[in-house]
Parts: sequence; structure tokens; C-alpha cells
Amino acid sequence: DAKTTQPNSMESNEEEPVHLPCNHSTISGTDYIHWYRQLPSQGPEYVIHGLTSNVNNRMASLAIAEDRKSSTLILHRATLRDAAVYYCIDDNTDKLIFGTGTRLQVFP
Amino acid sequence: NAGVMQNPRHLVRRRGQEARLRCSPMKGHSHVYWYRQLPEEGLKFMVYLQKENIIDESGMPKERFSAEFPKEGPSILRIQQVVRGDSAAYFCASSPVRASYEQYFGPGTRLTVT
Repeated sequence: DAKTTQPNSMESNEEEPVHLPCNHSTISGTDYIHWYRQLPSQGPEYVIHGLTSNVNNRMASLAIAEDRKSSTLILHRATLRDAAVYYCIDDNTDKLIFGTGTRLQVFP
Repeated sequence: NAGVMQNPRHLVRRRGQEARLRCSPMKGHSHVYWYRQLPEEGLKFMVYLQKENIIDESGMPKERFSAEFPKEGPSILRIQQVVRGDSAAYFCASSPVRASYEQYFGPGTRLTVT
């Protein structure tokens, strides 16, 4: 079973920043925090991952709380193509355990 | 660099037939993972393979399902004697190292059992 909790859905307007929260209540010291997203009718897509420090890449930023019990995926300027289900996962094994994710709707 | 390739993209089988799903990992990736997404449900891990070895099959149903990743050629997920409950999207992912982060997923095979 998934170890993380996320809101079921969120909404945003185009070109606005989006902050997607995730709780990692049972995370252990060696678990990485990963974010994936799944666009409609497509396979999941890796977004970003981190361990303790905040991370940035071309897609998004990942903010990790100091106690690592929560993380936030930040999309700096949402576009219509960012509408997807976003999954946060914490694990240190080979397999990804997906929860139900957050369905992000982006309005023009 | 081509991404993970899966074929067929859509597969229709009658109950009792066999389904073979193929996955070609990204170039240079020797780790392959299979996941299943039942209608209106989340993604579930099935099996993790390296070349010629099954590393973790904890998510595989005990019967009718098998997977392989031969030295040459794609990884194959095989479902024997399919039933309606096998209808789902099957996704393959690959990674360059043994790790859960940064797995690259294919577009999936949508299996429909009639």
C-alpha cells in the first residue's frame, strides 16, 4: 500500500504557479522522495526526485521539509499540458508504490 | 535516444487465449519493471527484471502470469488463459541502474479481454 497522502484534486489557472503537497508520515532516513505524473492515456512520466535538499530541474522544483515528513512539488507556471495525475512516492527499493495521486486541472 | 517501446499498444484477446506483451527498454538500460493499471485504479508494481534474471516478482499474480528479459531481445510479459479481470493497461519502465527513482515508462499496452 502507498505510504504517502495527497489531496485528491487541485485546480489552477494557466500561467499561475501550482504547489502540490504530499505527506510522508512514515518516511525513513534512506527513502528517496519521487514525483511522477501521468497525462491522460499515457504512461507515467518521471518529474523529479530528492533526498533531503530542495531540487530544481527543467520541469519543476521539489521542496522538502526539514523533517522530511512533507514535500511540495512546484510548477512555476502551469500550462494546459500540465493537467495530469501527480504522484508522490517515498521509497528506497526497486519498485514504485503508487498511491491515488492528485488530479490537477488547469484552466485557460 | 528512443524511449521505452511497448507493443502492441492495444491487444484484444478472448477468454482463455494467451497474451504476450513486449517491452524494449531505453538504450543502455538493463533494468525493466512491469506495472498494471486496472480501470479506475492506481498503478500496481508487478515484477522487476534484469537481463536473464527475475529480481522481484512480489506483485505478480501466482498463476497464469510470467515475465522474462532474455539476454537478447525485449522483455516479455505473458498471460496465459486470460480472464476478463486481466483487462487493464500494462506499463513497462526501464532504468539504467537498480533504483526506484527516475524510471522511464513506455506508453503501455491496453489489454481487453472479451
